[in-house]
Amino acid sequence: NFMLTQPHSVSESPGKTVTISCTGSSGSIASNYVQWYQQRPGSAPTTVIYEDNQRPSGVPDRFSGSIDSSSNSASLSISGLKTEDEADYYCQSYDNSNQGVFGGGTKLTVL
Amino acid sequence: QVQLVQSGAEVKRPGASVKVSCKASGYTFTSYYIHWVRQAPGQGLEWMGIINPSVPSTSYAQKFQGRVTMTRDASTSTVYMELSSLTSDDTAVYYCARDREGSFYFDYWGQGTLVTVSS
Repeated sequence: NFMLTQPHSVSESPGKTVTISCTGSSGSIASNYVQWYQQRPGSAPTTVIYEDNQRPSGVPDRFSGSIDSSSNSASLSISGLKTEDEADYYCQSYDNSNQGVFGGGTKLTVL
Repeated sequence: QVQLVQSGAEVKRPGASVKVSCKASGYTFTSYYIHWVRQAPGQGLEWMGIINPSVPSTSYAQKFQGRVTMTRDASTSTVYMELSSLTSDDTAVYYCARDREGSFYFDYWGQGTLVTVSS
């Protein structure tokens, strides 16, 4: 089964840049689009990146996504960190059997 | 505006079934797929399955095969997710989410429905 692996937690200071990785277990992560969702406590997830590197309207350009085929991973970068960015972040894609897959989630702490 | 409004919280006994609804508005109901995703307390997101309201057709995660049924009522623009043989492990918040163009990009989410399974 295709799986996505994320670090459990990351932390960084306000104003800095943080990158969260999402590594595919098999095949090529570049075969299907990767999305990134932000989830604050008690709320439904919202999209910050879709189709690998696209930002929905209203998401600041401090958020960016990329794919690295050599490491079979996707990355979410957040620059100019703000305390409001503190949340859980999930990568998501699907496998070749059209089964949805989420990464385990990364807790971002901005301290 | 696009909205997905889910039914209210449920408390169920082990072995029972639960049916959660997701009412769509603000767009053409049959033009977008709906996925169901759940989140156990303190845990991550888990994909359960997808329904194409126009056909309708469904595809379920292997983990839930035989235990989950997704249906729709086009007359009310509502999608339903029924989960049977509940155990305490099914205690979770259940979300419906709209799929843009069948690409597994969930662009709108419902507010979530808490299902608690307890004896």
